[in-house]
Amino acid sequence: AQSVTQLGSHVSVSEGALVLLRCNYSSSVPPYLFWYVQYPNQGLQLLLKYTTGATLVKGINGFEAEFKKSETSFHLTKPSAHMSDAAEYFCAVSDNNDMRFGAGTRLTVKP
Amino acid sequence: ETGVTQSPTHLIKTRGQQVTLRCSSQSGHNTVSWYQQALGQGPQFIFQYYREEENGRGNFPPRFSGLQFPNYSSELNVNALELDDSALYLCASSFRLAGGRIRETQYFGPGTRLLVL
Repeated sequence: AQSVTQLGSHVSVSEGALVLLRCNYSSSVPPYLFWYVQYPNQGLQLLLKYTTGATLVKGINGFEAEFKKSETSFHLTKPSAHMSDAAEYFCAVSDNNDMRFGAGTRLTVKP
Repeated sequence: ETGVTQSPTHLIKTRGQQVTLRCSSQSGHNTVSWYQQALGQGPQFIFQYYREEENGRGNFPPRFSGLQFPNYSSELNVNALELDDSALYLCASSFRLAGGRIRETQYFGPGTRLLVL
């Protein structure tokens, strides 16, 4: 069975600092991996996804993630945080049957 | 703007009642998935509908049921509501090729917030 673990339920960074949100997964088949962002009282918006091919994936709003099979990780990064990045971030893994989400990481950006 | 719409936006019910939530998929999409997101948690997969048939189900009891219509819109029905059913219910649509899998990118609606008293 597939699963996702997001390390750190809350991450706080200063504006302009590096953002690193951690995600580890388990899957019995080559996974498809996703990062979604959720702003208050809204649905989920896709940031980026990994299917096959290049392991470094670039997404919207300056975010990127690197698929590391040996570490079963798919960490999300952004070089410089902006106040508008404050939100809840979800990592998800999809195999042949369903999509499993992590518990989420709430990102706070301090001025 | 994803194009996925859900109604109603908010709903209050009492324990034991039944509820129907609705979802209109994005234009061109033929697959709808439903998720339950409890407060402070990630979304949990309820089920998916493809070509009007259930095509995958998570760990939810049979009192959670659904429908997909020829225009690919969908309903989620929950019978005998329990307090723990209070959550944000998210609908996501995607396009699946015949014989394709659930790996297609899903686009989410804003959700319906259900409160069971």
